[in-house]
Amino acid sequence: DGGITQSPKYLFRKEGQNVTLSCEQNLNHDAMYWYRQDPGQGLRLIYYSQIVNDFQKGDIAEGYSVSREKKESFPLTVTSAQKNPTAFYLCASSGWTGVLTGELFFGEGSRLTVL
Amino acid sequence: GESVGLHLPTLSVQEGDNSIINCAYSNSASDYFIWYKQESGKGPQFIIDIRSNMDKRQGQRVTVLLNKTVKHLSLQIAATQPGDSAVYFCAETLGGATNKLIFGTGTLLAVQP
Repeated sequence: DGGITQSPKYLFRKEGQNVTLSCEQNLNHDAMYWYRQDPGQGLRLIYYSQIVNDFQKGDIAEGYSVSREKKESFPLTVTSAQKNPTAFYLCASSGWTGVLTGELFFGEGSRLTVL
Repeated sequence: GESVGLHLPTLSVQEGDNSIINCAYSNSASDYFIWYKQESGKGPQFIIDIRSNMDKRQGQRVTVLLNKTVKHLSLQIAATQPGDSAVYFCAETLGGATNKLIFGTGTLLAVQP
């Protein structure tokens, strides 16, 4: 079935370590996004990519990095520079770049906990 | 995620009743609005959308109402079922920019059997 796959679902990290969250989609979508979700807050955009080999910072990009080497993949690295990395991370994709189709397809999320 | 429902306003309804979930949006210039449903431990799912040139739009068991005068959006769910239990949140944007979506904090809908 077509969809977005995020892994791992749960991840624990020690302070000072970088971790990479995987996001793969087989929907043939051009645009992909990373959001952070914290309790009691709306989703906040970390990074987005509208096309392969190009990505843009979102509202809270500091301490994060991404790459978009393949259309299907948009991994997110949470670096040690991110001061408060414990959160639920959501990857999404959409079929058009910059034009809203009305539907972002989300993955199941990855919960990162810093010990 | 599992803890998304914490600290959120909660609407508790009986199975079979109608539910109304409200959302106040922030930008009077926003012209496109979406409702999402997020079940515990899962990613959000698109429910229904509405453009600013409309006041009402209906889907299957759901209706979205838009009041631009007071910047208010509501989601009505008819004959609420246990499977409707989830966090519901609205999103707004201007000009169709997917990367400019502003998400609300959400409401937890709890359906009592």
